[in-house]
Amino acid sequence: DQQVKQNSPSLSVQEGRISILNCDYTNSMFDYFLWYKKYPAEGPTFLISISSIKDKNEDGRFTVFLNKSAKHLSLHIVPSQPGDSAVYFCAARDRGSTLGRLYFGRGTQLTVWP
Amino acid sequence: DAGVTQSPTHLIKTRGQQVTLRCSPKSGHDTVSWYQQALGQGPQFIFQYYEEEERQRGNFPDRFSGHQFPNYSSELNVNALLLGDSALYLCASSLEGTGNQPQHFGDGTRLSIL
Repeated sequence: DQQVKQNSPSLSVQEGRISILNCDYTNSMFDYFLWYKKYPAEGPTFLISISSIKDKNEDGRFTVFLNKSAKHLSLHIVPSQPGDSAVYFCAARDRGSTLGRLYFGRGTQLTVWP
Repeated sequence: DAGVTQSPTHLIKTRGQQVTLRCSPKSGHDTVSWYQQALGQGPQFIFQYYEEEERQRGNFPDRFSGHQFPNYSSELNVNALLLGDSALYLCASSLEGTGNQPQHFGDGTRLSIL
């Protein structure tokens, strides 16, 4: 059973515009959420995270929003750049597990075109 | 500052064989987690090692086993390989007791079963 879902397998955005990537989860015990970016032939690279006690976290062009009541989070990239083209994975950690096991979505392929 | 390193990069095996994958954690990290990423899927947690012991395990059969060495490096062993074991195997490291800190991933080992 997929506890973290990314329902859009792909997203195409023009350079300079906003990219919004979405993620839904089903486990109310999740307390820490992360976004990773993955280029072909490389491992996932950590992008940004948010704790369940917050509803927003910003880091430069990247902002993550968390809506706990809807069990939904989103990643906003503004402005989008061609170098942002990659697969983006949403991940979550169970508060009952301090050991750090992560649950991943299937990823969204973002393409930013000039 | 050395990141997570994995070897080999690629590996081809036949059904029924055994394989060993290796991982060196990021400098200063003491915990190693292994994930399997099948084509078109997100990474799936296999198990985690800390203080040379397996302390958490995902939904993988006993054919998957591991080891952690005193220098924190780790091995993943898979016996009696099946075609379905073809995947990218990712190693991630972290530091125990650091709270909400992301896991850092290596570039993975691509395992192909013929």
